This record gives sequence, C-alpha cells and structure tokens, in this order.
Amino acid sequence: KAGVTQTPRYLIKTRGQQVTLSCSPISGHRSVSWYQQTPGQGLQFLFEYFSETQRNKGNFPGRFSGRQFSNSRSEMNVSTLELGDSALYLCASSSSSGFSTDTQYFGPGTRLTVL
Amino acid sequence: AQSVTQPDIHITVSEGASLELRCNYSYGATPYLFWYVQSPGQGLQLLLKYFSGDTLVQGIKGFEAEFKRSQSSFNLRKPSVHWSDAAEYFCAVGFASGGSYIPTFGRGTSLIVHP
Repeated sequence: KAGVTQTPRYLIKTRGQQVTLSCSPISGHRSVSWYQQTPGQGLQFLFEYFSETQRNKGNFPGRFSGRQFSNSRSEMNVSTLELGDSALYLCASSSSSGFSTDTQYFGPGTRLTVL
Repeated sequence: AQSVTQPDIHITVSEGASLELRCNYSYGATPYLFWYVQSPGQGLQLLLKYFSGDTLVQGIKGFEAEFKRSQSSFNLRKPSVHWSDAAEYFCAVGFASGGSYIPTFGRGTSLIVHP
C-alpha cells in the first residue's frame, strides 16, 4: 500500500505570493492533518480534515487555509507569504479521527522557502 | 494549556549503550501520549502511544516508554542503541477536541550515536 505522498517536495516563493500544497493520504484513510515544522517554533498543528470537513484548527492566522476533496486528498493554501512561513509542511493521514487510537502516518513533507 | 517538555536538546550515546529520553507534560486530564522519530529529510514515524491501561508501553524498533502519572512523565527507553537510531525524537500529548485530538509536540531531542 502506498504511503502518504506530498507534492511538491520543494518550493521556493517570494514574499506576498501564495502557495498551494497537496497531500494524498493512504488509500482508505479519511482523516488528513497538516503540521508546520520550523527550527524556531518546532512542530505545530495547523488543521485537520475529516470527510471534507475541517474538524480542528490550530492557532494560525487566516492566511493559512485548507480543504479536503471527496477522495480524501487535501490541499493547504498560504496566501500573502511571509518570510516566517518558510518551513517544512507535513501532512499525516489516519483511517478515522485525527489523533485517537488510529495511528497517524506522515508524509515526507514539502519544504517551502520564502525569499 | 497543555505543554510538553523535552529537557534534553541533544543526547550522545555509544552504540550498544542504553538510552533514556525524557518527556514531561502538563495537561489537566488523562493524557494521550506519543513518541515519534524523525530521520533527516523524512516525516515522522510513530514509535509508540499510550492511551490507558498498562503504563509500560512497547513500541517498534525495540523502544518502550513508561507513563508515570505522579511525575507527569513519559520517558522513552531502549536497552541497546544501534547506529541507525540516530535521529530526532519527539514526544507529544494529545488533547480531545471536536471529536478528535489535537497534538502538542515537544521541541525534540536529537540523538547522536557514536560507534
């Protein structure tokens, strides 16, 4: 069974631009969560989607948004990029709820650099 | 608010030696606790998790962790470290929200293994 895939793996943008990252969960998984990892703030939860509905959201500004499609694939969007948005963005999927007894499986991440 | 502390930023051990990585949490209710490992350029992989029951939890790759409620700790141990265990280790606590759980991660401990 294929793992969680994230595209693109690397991305370079400039301040003020917007970016869309994609995540394809493991087949059959319905929950997708997104995380931001930076040297300064560590690993932080962004949001979780389950059956096309956002179930939880972390403490991030409205510039960060996401959605989930009927096939469980998810996208996250960051508008008006700032230098501080440079990070590794991780996606994780699980078969049902985001962080319960079901194990979350992480993708390799998308490395975003904002210049 | 919940928080997770990993007091050791770096730990160096010799191959074959025993290992203990410390994790302390602050959370008002019964915690859901996790340990993840991240190798360079990779996403996170779940080593083990604790929800209830036996306070000594066995995980993958020969790791185990013990939940001590009185000390608010969930330390990770391995009796004999292999060079391939060199990686970043993250402790996390999950708290219930919206029918799922939101994780809070520690800042991580970098494990260096000497031959």
